[in-house]
Amino acid sequence: KAGVTQTPRYLIKTRGQQVTLSCSPISGHRSVSWYQQTPGQGLQFLFEYFSETQRNKGNFPGRFSGRQFSNSRSEMNVSTLELGDSALYLCASSPWQGGNTIYFGEGSWLTVV
Amino acid sequence: AQSVAQPEDQVNVAEGNPLTVKCTYSVSGNPYLFWYVQYPNRGLQFLLKYITGDNLVKGSYGFEAEFNKSQTSFHLKKPSALVSDSALYFCAVRVNTGGFKTIFGAGTRLFVKA
Repeated sequence: KAGVTQTPRYLIKTRGQQVTLSCSPISGHRSVSWYQQTPGQGLQFLFEYFSETQRNKGNFPGRFSGRQFSNSRSEMNVSTLELGDSALYLCASSPWQGGNTIYFGEGSWLTVV
Repeated sequence: AQSVAQPEDQVNVAEGNPLTVKCTYSVSGNPYLFWYVQYPNRGLQFLLKYITGDNLVKGSYGFEAEFNKSQTSFHLKKPSALVSDSALYFCAVRVNTGGFKTIFGAGTRLFVKA
């Protein structure tokens, strides 16, 4: 069974631009969550989606948004990029919203210059 | 506030010796506790979890963890460390705050010396 797939793996963007990251969950998993990992802040929860609805949101500005499609694939978008947005963005999936174990993808490395 | 603490930034151990990576938590209700490992430039890999039942949980790669409700701890252990165990380890708790999310500790870097 394929794991969580994230694309792109690496990208470089300029301040002020926007970026869209994609996540395909494990087959059959319907819940997708996103995390930002930085050396200084560690792993920070961004949001969690289930059945195309955002169920929970972390403490990030409105520049960070996401969505989930009917096939459970998810995207997150960051607009008006800032240098501090440089991070590893991790997507995780679980079978259902309350499903306890979440399984991570390899992440998308975003560098903002 | 619900939180997870990993009091050690780094743990050093010699190969063949037992290792312990510490974790304490603060949650309301019954905790769902997890350990994940992260190798350089990779995502997080699930190691083990405690939901209910036996306080000693066994997981992947020979790791185990002991849930202690009175001390609100969930320490990760391995009887004999390998150099290949060197990685970043995260303790986590899954909570329902009107929607589910998993809260992670800051991580503990484990160095196993040959």
